[in-house]
Amino acid sequence: NAGVTQTPKFQVLKTGQSMTLQCAQDMNHNSMYWYRQDPGMGLRLIYYSASEGTTDKGEVPNGYNVSRLNKREFSLRLESAAPSQTSVYFCASSERGMVGGGTEAFFGQGTRLTVV
Amino acid sequence: AQSVTQPDIHITVSEGASLELRCNYSYGATPYLFWYVQSPGQGLQLLLKYFSGDTLVQGIKGFEAEFKRSQSSFNLRKPSVHWSDAAEYFCAVGASGGYQKVTFGTGTKLQVIP
Repeated sequence: NAGVTQTPKFQVLKTGQSMTLQCAQDMNHNSMYWYRQDPGMGLRLIYYSASEGTTDKGEVPNGYNVSRLNKREFSLRLESAAPSQTSVYFCASSERGMVGGGTEAFFGQGTRLTVV
Repeated sequence: AQSVTQPDIHITVSEGASLELRCNYSYGATPYLFWYVQSPGQGLQLLLKYFSGDTLVQGIKGFEAEFKRSQSSFNLRKPSVHWSDAAEYFCAVGASGGYQKVTFGTGTKLQVIP
């Protein structure tokens, strides 16, 4: 059982380039999330998808777009990368979106992105 | 709005010593609380969670945490630290509703010396 798989693990981009970070989960989870992790900032939510067919902005959505391709896959796109987007990106999924229902999130191993 | 504070950025303990990592939260109602661990180069793994009931929560890898409403705290403890516990630890607080409402702390990096 692979859990949450992210590709690529590492990426270096030049300012202005575009790229898509891929995420897939094999746990039949309904909800999926994209976070960025920066030193001293913890994890901040970029976008989430509460269920297949829906996406919503999180705390820091500017400069990003997402696609919930199907129940398994949730991609994050940087249309024109900027140095401020240098970060570690984590995808996560949960069975249900409701915290009170005992939901926990499972995380991928992360993508370390550097924009030069 | 809810918030989480982890006052210790970095902690160093000797192997075999006890450990306590601090977490303070701000939330108007009964919160949902989590501790996650992130080993180097890995994603976050859930150690334990508190939703209701017994305020002392047992987790994986020998960790426990105690919810203290009067102090707005959810400190993580372990009686005897192993070298493999070296990692970064994140406290998180959630509101009733979607998991997207979970707020993470800034993390505490634990170093274990032999």
